[in-house]
Amino acid sequence: EVQLLESGGGLVKPGGSLRLSCSASGFNFRTYAMHWVRQAPGKGLQWVSGISASGGNTKYAESVEGRFTISRDNFMNTVSLEMSSLTAEDAAVYYCVKGVVPAAGAANWFDHWGQGSLVTVSA
Amino acid sequence: QSGLTQPPSVSGSPGQTITISCTGGSSNIGAPYDVHWYQQLPGKGPTLLIHENVNRPSGVPDRFSGSTSGTSASLTITGLQAEDEAHYFCQSYDNTLTASGVVFGGGTALTVL
Repeated sequence: EVQLLESGGGLVKPGGSLRLSCSASGFNFRTYAMHWVRQAPGKGLQWVSGISASGGNTKYAESVEGRFTISRDNFMNTVSLEMSSLTAEDAAVYYCVKGVVPAAGAANWFDHWGQGSLVTVSA
Repeated sequence: QSGLTQPPSVSGSPGQTITISCTGGSSNIGAPYDVHWYQQLPGKGPTLLIHENVNRPSGVPDRFSGSTSGTSASLTITGLQAEDEAHYFCQSYDNTLTASGVVFGGGTALTVL
């Protein structure tokens, strides 16, 4: 059974930083791209970032480019999202999501989602 | 248009059939790129419902079906059940987006009366 367990969410002040982690199990982790998708309270889904299976290619939404960094460890089966210069617009539930192809930028869908990690940005 | 448009809400009674639309443009659904659908039960993370327009993952009841036509896609639920009350999101690829190309619809809240 595929499992994606996020951790690291919490309350952070505007301008602050936070690191989200996702521990994956139940599939050949190093074979698939991994992504982060967020959902602001009461809002829709927004793709945030993706990383290729090898970790050699990363992609970011324009709204987080330069502030967020995605990385993965194919030995520990984890993917992380380092977030900095956070603003109220970054407050959301962040989902760790599994892609169905190795490439981060390909036209594909997401077959497994974590339960999400809440990030709150407030003074 | 680079975004996908869904109705904010739909409703139906148990046993009825409902359809949720997802309207795009020539750079996504109409290109054509595949459409995928996700179900989000209250308080939960999304789950994959339909992929590549019409395919149901293992475990998804055949009451759920997808279709596309031109620049639009539809999710149809037949024999509506109370447990179907959830939010539904469509997703596709858009070739005008410079990063991943991933584009989601705004979501549709389904109420089972």
